[in-house]
Amino acid sequence: EAGVAQSPRYKIIEKRQSVAFWCNPISGHATLYWYQQILGQGPKLLIQFQNNGVVDDSQLPKDRFSAERLKGVDSTLKIQPAKLEDSAVYLCASSLAQGLEQYFGPGTRLTVT
Amino acid sequence: AQTVTQSQPEMSVQEAETVTLSCTYDTSESDYYLFWYKQPPSRQMILVIRQEAYKQQNATENRFSVNFQKAAKSFSLKISDSQLGDAAMYFCAYRFQGGSEKLVFGKGTKLTVNP
Repeated sequence: EAGVAQSPRYKIIEKRQSVAFWCNPISGHATLYWYQQILGQGPKLLIQFQNNGVVDDSQLPKDRFSAERLKGVDSTLKIQPAKLEDSAVYLCASSLAQGLEQYFGPGTRLTVT
Repeated sequence: AQTVTQSQPEMSVQEAETVTLSCTYDTSESDYYLFWYKQPPSRQMILVIRQEAYKQQNATENRFSVNFQKAAKSFSLKISDSQLGDAAMYFCAYRFQGGSEKLVFGKGTKLTVNP
């Protein structure tokens, strides 16, 4: 069974630029999560999808971050414009359903200069 | 709001020895789950062990076991017969059984295994 796929693995951008990350969850997984992991901290949930609907986006900075999950499969997370404090690893995870075990992807390391 | 605290930023252990990682959490809920995740340098988070709050028996997975003290809100991870491959960041996490059921993570403990 293929795991959660993410791309790119690394991205370096200048502040005020925009960037997008892509996530392909495990086949059949209805729930998808995006986490932000700042260096030295644990992951923090940004947004959670159930199929293509948003379940929780309470910690998503909506003035600059957006996410979508079209057709309830792949998802993209966008930052526009990026700030220095957005430098972090962005992890995508999926689970068969809400409340079940989450499987994580390898993450995308973003550096904003 | 629920919080998870890991008071040991770094720990080290000799190969084949036993090490215990500490975790405390704060919640007013009674139904929840606790987890330990391992994150090696490759960054892929891997579930090590989980504990349901309603279960009194401590969870065990091979060399990994937990000491769950619900009243004290403590959830420590014991790794027995440590192996070089156990070296990683270890994160304690909490999930309330309800709402969005999101995971709340601690800041992690970096475990070094010395040969």
